[in-house]
Amino acid sequence: DTEVTQTPKHLVMGMTNKKSLKCEQHMGHRAMYWYKQKAKKPPELMFVYSYEKLSINESVPSRFSPECPNSSLLNLHLHALQPEDSALYLCASSLNPGQGYEKLFFGSGTQLSVL
Amino acid sequence: AQKITQTQPGMFVQEKEAVTLDCTYDTSDQSYGLFWYKQPSSGEMIFLIYQGSYDEQNATEGRYSLNFQKARKSANLVISASQLGDSAMYFCAMRETWDNAGNMLTFGGGTRLMVKP
Repeated sequence: DTEVTQTPKHLVMGMTNKKSLKCEQHMGHRAMYWYKQKAKKPPELMFVYSYEKLSINESVPSRFSPECPNSSLLNLHLHALQPEDSALYLCASSLNPGQGYEKLFFGSGTQLSVL
Repeated sequence: AQKITQTQPGMFVQEKEAVTLDCTYDTSDQSYGLFWYKQPSSGEMIFLIYQGSYDEQNATEGRYSLNFQKARKSANLVISASQLGDSAMYFCAMRETWDNAGNMLTFGGGTRLMVKP
């Protein structure tokens, strides 16, 4: 299994809603990442979990709340989002956080629209 | 200042021809890694090729090769024998430092490649 699986693929939510994005991998990877990608822009790093601990938070607003319940699962909880948060949210994983040559495996993303 | 620059927003190439996608980078680190990813319209980022700063040989992966010129700080992707399925967005990315906090990539602005039949 060499996949990173993200659900849902599409999500439409109002500004008062609470929703969650889910990411799963069964490759034994010990680092997991959330990236945000606006249309026609490159992905931008949001959070990194290393060995199930939050290691990097790129000054992301608190309306985004990450969670790593176990080494295979990564969630992104959303609350009181703004329309400008509409974007493609990509999850990624890598095997060993300490190895610089390792590639990141990406999921297909969740396309989020905030109304 | 931008760390990764891709100067070609869009490019056309004829099917079966070779194409070069440009990437320049800026870093003061001696140890760094350069990656190329492909993003089709489906959204998934697909890894293509990796070049380490200490690698003496240019990286190759099938039809993909990386023209690494360290002194010029460039890492251009060469795709040989283009196929219609190569039409996608291509991102160059760099990893400057790494530790147990994770392997963070900084992406360039991307180049949209369109292959003509």
